[in-house]
Amino acid sequence: AQSVAQPEDQVNVAEGNPLTVKCTYSVSGNPYLFWYVQYPNRGLQFLLKYITGDNLVKGSYGFEAEFNKSQTSFHLKKPSALVSDSALYFCAVRAQPVYGSGNTGKLIFGQGTTLQVKP
Amino acid sequence: KAGVTQTPRYLIKTRGQQVTLSCSPISGHRSVSWYQQTPGQGLQFLFEYFSETQRNKGNFPGRFSGRQFSNSRSEMNVSTLELGDSALYLCASSLVPSGRTEAFFGQGTRLTVV
Repeated sequence: AQSVAQPEDQVNVAEGNPLTVKCTYSVSGNPYLFWYVQYPNRGLQFLLKYITGDNLVKGSYGFEAEFNKSQTSFHLKKPSALVSDSALYFCAVRAQPVYGSGNTGKLIFGQGTTLQVKP
Repeated sequence: KAGVTQTPRYLIKTRGQQVTLSCSPISGHRSVSWYQQTPGQGLQFLFEYFSETQRNKGNFPGRFSGRQFSNSRSEMNVSTLELGDSALYLCASSLVPSGRTEAFFGQGTRLTVV
């Protein structure tokens, strides 16, 4: 069964410091991995994805993520955190859909990690 | 380019009633998925539509249903509402039904069942 784990409910960092939000996954076959961010009373905003290729993926707002197949991890990183980065972050995995099924394959989300960046 | 539009933003319903939520995908996007977000269960997949056909379904009771129209707009319906149906319902659109494509989410409809 597919699953995603975000081991930290909350991550606290000081503004200007690097941040890491952790994610591990379990899926049969090649994974498609995504990070989303959610601000209060808003929907999810897409940050970045890993499909194939380079293990370091760059996304929106200076975020990047590193795919590690042997550790089945996809940690989100940013070299220098901003107070405005404070939000709820979700990691998601999608297994390859059945060919010809006409679907994208459902997203399996982690429970989310609240990132708090303090001035 | 307009994003995914969900209406209404907020709803309050009474147990036993039914409700219909609407989603207009990004222009040109043809695949629409629905998710339920609750504090206890997190984000859970409801169903996905493409070309007016349900292509995938999550583990929700039959009270939850949906449909997609020829213009790719989608609706979901919940009948015989229960208190546990209180949640943020999120709609997501994708350009094509491919696992490689990212989903873009609307702001959601906050449903409260009293």
